[in-house]
Amino acid sequence: QQQVKQSPQSLIVQKGGISIINCAYENTAFDYFPWYQQFPGKGPALLIAIRPDVSEKKEGRFTISFNKSAKQFSLHIMDSQPGDSATYFCAARRGISSGSARQLTFGSGTQLTVLP
Amino acid sequence: DGGITQSPKYLFRKEGQNVTLSCEQNLNHDAMYWYRQDPGQGLRLIYYSQIVNDFQKGDIAEGYSVSREKKESFPLTVTSAQKTPTAFYLCASSTLRGGDSNQPQHFGDGTRLSIL
Repeated sequence: QQQVKQSPQSLIVQKGGISIINCAYENTAFDYFPWYQQFPGKGPALLIAIRPDVSEKKEGRFTISFNKSAKQFSLHIMDSQPGDSATYFCAARRGISSGSARQLTFGSGTQLTVLP
Repeated sequence: DGGITQSPKYLFRKEGQNVTLSCEQNLNHDAMYWYRQDPGQGLRLIYYSQIVNDFQKGDIAEGYSVSREKKESFPLTVTSAQKTPTAFYLCASSTLRGGDSNQPQHFGDGTRLSIL
């Protein structure tokens, strides 16, 4: 059962444009939502993360928007650059109170291509 | 520099053969994880370990085995029962200290395993 649904599967954006990737989750026990960036042949690297007690977090050109009631969160990349071309994964982690180990559940990934 | 080292980068195995993938971390992290990444899919958890000499099955543990004899090492054995032809295996680690804090998982650069 996929607990984190990510869309779109692929995205092409012109340089300078805004890239938007969306994720939706079902499990209300999730309490930490990171985004990872992965380049070909490399492991994912943490890009930005948010907790559900805030609605938005911004780090440079990257912003997470979080809608707790809708159980959705999204990554916005402003002024997209060719160097941003990579695969992006959203993820979610259950809280300590859920009584389970705090491993991550990942979305299926979005392949972003930024055209020069 | 602290990090996670996975070896080898590429590995081929014959049907009926068991192979072992290495994962070493010098981040002094308590928890270690193994994920499998299939083309066009997200990361799926194979096994994880929160403490030496203890580990738990993830979502796709069938055909795999692990050991955790040292804090810094978490090798994964892919047995002949595992039929996936080609996959990218990622090792990760995270600290469990600091209570309910945002502890990201750090990833190695992966091993690509193919069946001949």
